[in-house]
Amino acid sequence: EADIYQTPRYLVIGTGKKITLECSQTMGHDKMYWYQQDPGMELHLIHYSYGVNSTEKGDLSSESTVSRIRTEHFPLTLESARPSHTSQYLCASSELRQGGETQYFGPGTRLLVL
Amino acid sequence: AQSVTQLGSHVSVSEGALVLLRCNYSSSVPPYLFWYVQYPNQGLQLLLKYTSAATLVKGINGFEAEFKKSETSFHLTKPSAHMSDAAEYFCAVSEGSGTYKYIFGTGTRLKVLA
Repeated sequence: EADIYQTPRYLVIGTGKKITLECSQTMGHDKMYWYQQDPGMELHLIHYSYGVNSTEKGDLSSESTVSRIRTEHFPLTLESARPSHTSQYLCASSELRQGGETQYFGPGTRLLVL
Repeated sequence: AQSVTQLGSHVSVSEGALVLLRCNYSSSVPPYLFWYVQYPNQGLQLLLKYTSAATLVKGINGFEAEFKKSETSFHLTKPSAHMSDAAEYFCAVSEGSGTYKYIFGTGTRLKVLA
């Protein structure tokens, strides 16, 4: 069972506000990921991290930024939220085991920017 | 380049009927393949994964999938649908261990009719 947490689960905020979406995992996984998912659509990778002090941009361009100061924590920040940022944001982490790597997902944060 | 195609964005079955959700992939290397399920307002939960061991993979909740290299397919099946199976299902492909990259399909929404 994966233990990965995201807060808040739902967020409604006005345009121009700074927001931070929290993601934490207690499994000691080195790799962590942020995906963006619009309703009824596939997941798009926006950020990932191989470990502490490692952050990379994913396939989908995003105005958000991330940090990885601790293994268990991978927050995502939007400096100035816009309605176009309205979406669901999913955090994941992965472990490398015999038979390959499996990503485990948090419950998601649904963001609405007014 | 990898890609995943899920045929049918919406599938409806009667309770007790066979569930078949289709997934075809392309990959230049032997792939790792995954099926995830997403319930409303939740993150993704791993149903099962193929990692080059047995071609018939059994997962949770009575689901299974068969890897067919000749057809580049990894279809998900369940002999008898239950109302609780109603959800969105995502197929994903990865090029194996050591890579961060999962490519997700666009998802199939399964509806179970009473």
